[in-house]
Amino acid sequence: QKEVEQNSGPLSVPEGAIASLNCTYSDRGSQSFFWYRQYSGKSPELIMSIYSNGDKEDGRFTAQLNKASQYVSLLIRDSQPSDSATYLCAVIPGGGNKLTFGTGTQLKVEL
Amino acid sequence: SQTIHQWPATLVQPVGSPLSLECTVEGTSNPNLYWYRQAAGRGLQLLFYSVGIGQISSEVPQNLSASRPQDRQFILSSKKLLLSDSGFYLCAWSVNDRGYTFGSGTRLTVV
Repeated sequence: QKEVEQNSGPLSVPEGAIASLNCTYSDRGSQSFFWYRQYSGKSPELIMSIYSNGDKEDGRFTAQLNKASQYVSLLIRDSQPSDSATYLCAVIPGGGNKLTFGTGTQLKVEL
Repeated sequence: SQTIHQWPATLVQPVGSPLSLECTVEGTSNPNLYWYRQAAGRGLQLLFYSVGIGQISSEVPQNLSASRPQDRQFILSSKKLLLSDSGFYLCAWSVNDRGYTFGSGTRLTVV
């Protein structure tokens, strides 16, 4: 079982719609969760972090964490073509300090 | 503010040649430093991490080595490159468990 799993996509959504990106993790003791955005040919950029159960909102982005289900998601409201990128879920496992990444979900926002 | 510098941006090297990639961080002290590799179409693989000067942990047996001669300098090296060393090399830093900040990356092609 992979430590962090994501659907590779591509996930296609129309402009203005809500994009929903999902991630599951295997280490129940994990405490820190992150979402990165990576444009083609560029390095990953941190867009959201979440540490406790529930929702965390930042502009058009909402991160959701459910530790009981070992599930973290990212919602992008009013999706724009500029949101087209690969979104990487990352987790710091319990007792560790090294970020473990999923393989990413490719998002395409279509006009 | 903290910044991370990584160079060169692109590199084409023949098989069997040596490699040295450098990463420096500004605006923070005693950061944790990391080297990741991202092969084409694949996820981020942690290669090395360092919690202090001279302290290097290797995650994956390979043809590469790392050194940290100064607090904010991290170097990735190889004595003889292999074709399989091609990829996108990313340096990152963190303080505590607040997510990593990545450099702009080096795209290495071994020919």
